[in-house]
Amino acid sequence: EPEVTQTPSHQVTQMGQEVILRCVPISNHLYFYWYRQILGQKVEFLVSFYNNEISEKSEIFDDQFSVERPDGSNFTLKIRSTKLEDSAMYFCAAHPAETGDNYEQYFGPGTRLTVT
Amino acid sequence: GEDVEQSLFLSVREGDSSVINCTYTDSSSTYLYWYKQEPGAGLQLLTYIFSNMDMKQDQRLTVLLNKKDKHLSLRIADTQTGDSAIYFCASGVTDSWGKLQFGAGTQVVVTP
Repeated sequence: EPEVTQTPSHQVTQMGQEVILRCVPISNHLYFYWYRQILGQKVEFLVSFYNNEISEKSEIFDDQFSVERPDGSNFTLKIRSTKLEDSAMYFCAAHPAETGDNYEQYFGPGTRLTVT
Repeated sequence: GEDVEQSLFLSVREGDSSVINCTYTDSSSTYLYWYKQEPGAGLQLLTYIFSNMDMKQDQRLTVLLNKKDKHLSLRIADTQTGDSAIYFCASGVTDSWGKLQFGAGTQVVVTP
């Protein structure tokens, strides 16, 4: 299975601090996503990103969140001023271009964010 | 709003078949996925099926889709202890297919 990697695996931060979560998608993938999973809850979509811009975002993805792909490889999620309720597992996902009938979406191992 | 529902727990004996069920409410769901999550790991894509298909088989995995009832199932033949994990069903729609909606996951425990 093609591999999406994420760093760090675990991030602890104090409330109000900024955090940046990093993802390295598969090189030929063009569509990128962030999801989160609060402990005991469902995996929730946050944002999709294509051609260096946001394609779609959920209600969760408010002004405190931003995404970018600064160097053509890393895909980052920034939370400007973290809140306790931002504590969750954050998953990056990637998908190839829409060629043929391939709609496989691959997930990274996740970053566990703990806000204290 | 739209929802994806799964039973929370399934216990199965090694060597038996497992069947994990999922229902979804969005009638425009076009792509339906099964992911596996082992403890401390990410979401591993197992398989997916288009809504114009009834069945898809991949080695020990068989996916059945009843579009009329909006019911999806994953059958694992000859279940092994390594199949113990949480299994997530997810749906995507054509207009924003990459935005997957997940179920809560089914914890599968395989006993010897």
